[in-house]
Amino acid sequence: QKEVEQNSGPLSVPEGAIASLNCTYSDRVSQSFFWYRQYSGKSPELIMSIYSNGDKEDGRFTAQLNKASQYVSLLIRDSQPSDSATYLCAASPYTGNQFYFGTGTSLTVIP
Amino acid sequence: EPEVTQTPSHQVTQMGQEVILRCVPISNHLYFYWYRQILGQKVEFLVSFYNNEISEKSEIFDDQFSVERPDGSNFTLKIRSTKLEDSAMYFCASSSGTANQPQHFGDGTRLSIL
Repeated sequence: QKEVEQNSGPLSVPEGAIASLNCTYSDRVSQSFFWYRQYSGKSPELIMSIYSNGDKEDGRFTAQLNKASQYVSLLIRDSQPSDSATYLCAASPYTGNQFYFGTGTSLTVIP
Repeated sequence: EPEVTQTPSHQVTQMGQEVILRCVPISNHLYFYWYRQILGQKVEFLVSFYNNEISEKSEIFDDQFSVERPDGSNFTLKIRSTKLEDSAMYFCASSSGTANQPQHFGDGTRLSIL
């Protein structure tokens, strides 16, 4: 099993809708979780981090973590065309400090 | 807002040559990283660096690669005897702590090996 898995998409939502991005992870990477946004040809940009079960909200973004199901998600409310990008899920292990990245989910917000 | 800076933004090199990619991490960060992303693929960890030594490295980071912090601000990745398959985007990142702290990425260096 890969450490972090994401549905590569593409995911298309109309402007103003909620975009839901999902990620699963293995036992090996169960400490901390991060969502990054990556525009084409650009670097990963940190959106949110989440460390404990439940929801964490920051503006239009909500991260959800369910450790029992080994599942982390990102909800984007009121999606805007500028949200169109690839969203990367990253996780850190209990030992060591490298991040394991998923392959990313491509999101397109249609005006 | 403090940021990680990388130079050059694009490096074109002949196969077999050596390249040095440079990074200036965020000034109060203590942990430094190099990742690479081959076109269309996921971001892959290469190496982490703390207290002037490598703290962790991946299988990709073999004898062809080395890192150095030559002064108080720069962090470099050297790739010797470059191969075609080394062509990728190389990202430097830094963090204030270990696994539970976010890593902040630079804009990357696009390395093209001819």
